[in-house]
Amino acid sequence: DQQVKQNSPSLSVQEGRISILNCDYTNSMFDYFLWYKKYPAEGPTFLISISSIKDKNEDGRFTVFLNKSAKHLSLHIVPSQPGDSAVYFCAASRSNFGNEKLTFGTGTRLTIIP
Amino acid sequence: EAGVAQSPRYKIIEKRQSVAFWCNPISGHATLYWYQQILGQGPKLLIQFQNNGVVDDSQLPKDRFSAERLKGVDSTLKIQPAKLEDSAVYLCASSENRGLNYEQYFGPGTRLTVT
Repeated sequence: DQQVKQNSPSLSVQEGRISILNCDYTNSMFDYFLWYKKYPAEGPTFLISISSIKDKNEDGRFTVFLNKSAKHLSLHIVPSQPGDSAVYFCAASRSNFGNEKLTFGTGTRLTIIP
Repeated sequence: EAGVAQSPRYKIIEKRQSVAFWCNPISGHATLYWYQQILGQGPKLLIQFQNNGVVDDSQLPKDRFSAERLKGVDSTLKIQPAKLEDSAVYLCASSENRGLNYEQYFGPGTRLTVT
């Protein structure tokens, strides 16, 4: 049962343009959402998060949007840079307090074309 | 600040053999996680420790996998005997035990190939 879904395995975007990565979830108990970035041969690194009480969170070039009614979130990267080429994982948990278990999506491989 | 350390980075074994992975979390992090990431999938939590106690091991195949975290610091994950489907990257992560909007810090992982 895949509770967090990333339906696009890969995405290619021109340098300087906007990259939009999508994520859907099915568990209505999820309350906190995160994006992780992973380079080859490295562990995932935290990128940005959003609590369900918000619909948008911004950090520099990265913005995450949450649509609770649609159980959908997206990550926008503007402008896209070659160093953004990586695999991006969406993750969700039932709480942003303490150490709740994270459920990850299958990832989207983003390639930025120079 | 040193990150999460894992060893070995790569391991190749034959099926039915045993293998062990080691993890040293970030200093002061009370919570430690072991994840399994099969090729083409996202990380899946195997076991979560709070200090040296188990918080969640619901997805750990207990007939062959075991894990311990002695003294609430380092941890070891063991597979005995290994099966072909255990081929994966095993990721260790740690986090602080307080506050809101916590972040899990991941190690580089151990890539296991079972032949």
